[in-house]
Amino acid sequence: GNSVTQMEGPVTLSEEAFLTINCTYTATGYPSLFWYVQYPGEGLQLLLKATKADDKGSNKGFEATYRKETTSFHLEKGSVQVSDSAVYFCALYSGAGSYQLTFGKGTKLSVIP
Amino acid sequence: SQTIHQWPATLVQPVGSPLSLECTVEGTSNPNLYWYRQAAGRGLQLLFYSVGIGQISSEVPQNLSASRPQDRQFILSSKKLLLSDSGFYLCAWTNRGGDQPQHFGDGTRLSIL
Repeated sequence: GNSVTQMEGPVTLSEEAFLTINCTYTATGYPSLFWYVQYPGEGLQLLLKATKADDKGSNKGFEATYRKETTSFHLEKGSVQVSDSAVYFCALYSGAGSYQLTFGKGTKLSVIP
Repeated sequence: SQTIHQWPATLVQPVGSPLSLECTVEGTSNPNLYWYRQAAGRGLQLLFYSVGIGQISSEVPQNLSASRPQDRQFILSSKKLLLSDSGFYLCAWTNRGGDQPQHFGDGTRLSIL
């Protein structure tokens, strides 16, 4: 079956530090990949997506590249801000008649001034 | 533009009481609809999804049920709440095909006393 594995959190960084949150996946076919962000007390918001190999999704300074050879979709940001503190979820959609997203367990990021 | 509404935002209920959470989507037709639960500090658990009026698929056996009486309305219910039903409930929608990202509501914080 499909699965998404994210690095264990929580992750604590100082402001302006470089961020990487690892995400690897197992899926049949050619899934679409997503990163969602959840700010405290809120629902999930789509952060970025990539639908085929070598695509790079980007938004708000965050980037992730769909790497089929390593089945990875790592989230990166060059300089984090306190406002980036949130929980980040990696997810995939495998298609093939499925109506569901498969989510990772989430990684909590705390950015301190 | 499409919007999704969930209510109430917070709810405190005694054990054994009934539950009804409502979710509506505007600005789109024939969406796929989803209910998730997020326990404190944990990832997302898919509870139900629906691809059309009256069509409900259950992912986890429990004392919760879902209904879709109208195309853009999705209701989560229980006849008798348990302590373990506490959590953050999220409704989401996506266009048919599923490879489009899911869009989430702001969630309902349910506390069972």
